[in-house]
Amino acid sequence: AQKITQTQPGMFVQEKEAVTLDCTYDTSDQSYGLFWYKQPSSGEMIFLIYQGSYDEQNATEGRYSLNFQKARKSANLVISASQLGDSAMYFCAMREAYGQNFVFGPGTRLSVLP
Amino acid sequence: DAGVIQSPRHEVTEMGQEVTLRCKPISGHNSLFWYRQTMMRGLELLIYFNNNVPIDDSGMPEDRFSAKMPNASFSTLKIQPSEPRDSAVYFCASSIGRAGEQYFGPGTRLTVT
Repeated sequence: AQKITQTQPGMFVQEKEAVTLDCTYDTSDQSYGLFWYKQPSSGEMIFLIYQGSYDEQNATEGRYSLNFQKARKSANLVISASQLGDSAMYFCAMREAYGQNFVFGPGTRLSVLP
Repeated sequence: DAGVIQSPRHEVTEMGQEVTLRCKPISGHNSLFWYRQTMMRGLELLIYFNNNVPIDDSGMPEDRFSAKMPNASFSTLKIQPSEPRDSAVYFCASSIGRAGEQYFGPGTRLTVT
């Protein structure tokens, strides 16, 4: 079974608009962490944001925020005021306290249009 | 501050040859991870070390793959013998503790002909 699902293979957004990238996860652990990474065309993996399962507040890092809905097992990434440099692949990942250590979703390719 | 360092950045080799990929984690990080990324399979965890000890190698595809971490600042991933299906980008990542966010190296693009 897929641990991490990203249902949007590709997304387009107009520059300066906000965009939400979806991520749902599957775990029976009570303690886990959720991560988002960005992979631009140059290939490096860049850590963006982290949400712990016990965190009561949604995580925010600059223009990135994580819309964490624990009961729905979703951890959507919201990028505000999109910039051309945001065009990249975005991966959602989960770390479980027990079981499989670290698993990545298939990714969503975001294209920001001028 | 230096990030995770990987070498070589690109490797082209012939089928049957031995390939060794190298990684230097961020100083102070005690967990190290090796990943493989392909179009077909996405990003796969191969093995991870905690305090230089291999903890989980269930992602290593077969006996042709081996990984070592002789000290806190160096790890290798070896493929012997290499096959064309091993062609991929191999990433090394490190973190503080198993649960912390991982910081990735630039990757090694391996092509086996």
